[in-house]
Amino acid sequence: GAGVSQTPSNKVTEKGKYVELRCDPISGHTALYWYRQSLGQGPEFLIYFQGTGAADDSGLPNDRFFAVRPEGSVSTLKIQRTERGDSAVYLCASSLMGQGYNEQFFGPGTRLTVL
Amino acid sequence: AQKVTQAQTEISVVEKEDVTLDCVYETRDTTYYLFWYKQPPSGELVFLIRRNSFDEQNEISGRYSWNFQKSTSSFNFTITASQVVDSAVYFCALSEPSTDSWGKLQFGAGTQVVVTP
Repeated sequence: GAGVSQTPSNKVTEKGKYVELRCDPISGHTALYWYRQSLGQGPEFLIYFQGTGAADDSGLPNDRFFAVRPEGSVSTLKIQRTERGDSAVYLCASSLMGQGYNEQFFGPGTRLTVL
Repeated sequence: AQKVTQAQTEISVVEKEDVTLDCVYETRDTTYYLFWYKQPPSGELVFLIRRNSFDEQNEISGRYSWNFQKSTSSFNFTITASQVVDSAVYFCALSEPSTDSWGKLQFGAGTQVVVTP
């Protein structure tokens, strides 16, 4: 079956611009996660959805970052007024349910470059 | 504070050698879950193994094995008879039920494994 997909695979933008990153989870997975991975580092948690609601957004670095999952499937991560420090690979993952023992399936990521 | 520590930045081996990756974690929970993920050059994280805190039995799955020791908070991972396709970055991760969102994974910094022919 289809895995987690993310679009675009690469995004280059200028400082100050607005960007949207999309994630399509595995069908039937109720939990969806966003992580950010900087070069040479492990993925860093951003936000977690259980269904349509954000169960935990404690990892969002500031109010320029926002994510939605209006129908409990596709999610969009939105970054306003991008800064050079936002450059990273943004990873999306989904799991059957939101409990911590569930295996998370990761997408290929979106590489964001802010010039 | 870093909850998962992978002290080895890079390990280089020759094919067929065994590789052991170290992982030390920190948690106050009595129930928690530990994971190993592989990130090949293509970039997509791949789940390898999962272990819960109340089962310290060490296991082998194909060429993979793991050594979970609660007394030292370590969850080490071994690849036996390494192959070139094992070249990747390996991440150890922790999930804690007591946190507000226990679905999230907390990752270590990763260990780069390089297997040469």
